[in-house]
Amino acid sequence: QQQVKQSPQSLIVQKGGISIINCAYENTAFDYFPWYQQFPGKGPALLIAIRPDVSEKKEGRFTISFNKSAKQFSLHIMDSQPGDSATYFCAAEGGSQGNLIFGKGTKLSVKP
Amino acid sequence: DAGVTQSPTHLIKTRGQHVTLRCSPISGHKSVSWYQQVLGQGPQFIFQYYEKEERGRGNFPDRFSARQFPNYSSELNVNALLLGDSALYLCASSFQGHYEQYFGPGTRLTVT
Repeated sequence: QQQVKQSPQSLIVQKGGISIINCAYENTAFDYFPWYQQFPGKGPALLIAIRPDVSEKKEGRFTISFNKSAKQFSLHIMDSQPGDSATYFCAAEGGSQGNLIFGKGTKLSVKP
Repeated sequence: DAGVTQSPTHLIKTRGQHVTLRCSPISGHKSVSWYQQVLGQGPQFIFQYYEKEERGRGNFPDRFSARQFPNYSSELNVNALLLGDSALYLCASSFQGHYEQYFGPGTRLTVT
C-alpha cells in the first residue's frame, strides 16, 4: 500500500523554466512533509519542508504548496537551472515512530 | 561540522553471508534511522533508534537487526544475505527522531 503518490515520474524543463512536482497522501495523521533532492551516488539531501498548518513555504527558488483538504502538496522550482537536475522525493511523517514515507521519486532534467 | 558518516562506502557479499554497516550521526543528534533504497525507488524505512532504544521497525524480515551505541552511532546487521538485499543502505540522523532527518551518503551493498 503506497501512502505517498508522486508524479510525474520524470520531467524535462528548459533552463529558466518552472519545475512542478506533485504528491498526494492518504494518512491524515501525517504532520510533516519534506522534499529531498538526490544526486546519483549520493544520499538524499533535505531541501525544504512544511507542516500542515501552513499553505505555502518558500526558500529561495524552492516553494512548497500544501492543500490539506485535498491531501496534496507540490514542489515548485523557479528559474530552474541545469544544476537542479536530480531526483526529487517527497515524503511524509506522522505518528510515534518518526519514520519517513517516501514517494517513488521524480527525475528532473533541466536542459540548457 | 561533519554530517552523517557511513562505512563502508561499497560492499560486495555472497548469498548467505552476513554484513554489518555502520553509521555515525551528526554531533548532538540522538536518533538514527536506517533506510533501504532499491535502484529507482524511494527509501524504505527499516529501523529507528532513539537514545539507544528501538523506536520503530519497518516491514523487513528478522534477518535485519540494528543497535545504537552510547555514543549514538549505530550498526545495521543483515544475516543470510539474499540477492534482493542488494541496495543502497542509508542512515539518517535527527535530534529527537522526528521531522528533520539528515541522510548520510549510504553504503552500496551488492549481493552476488
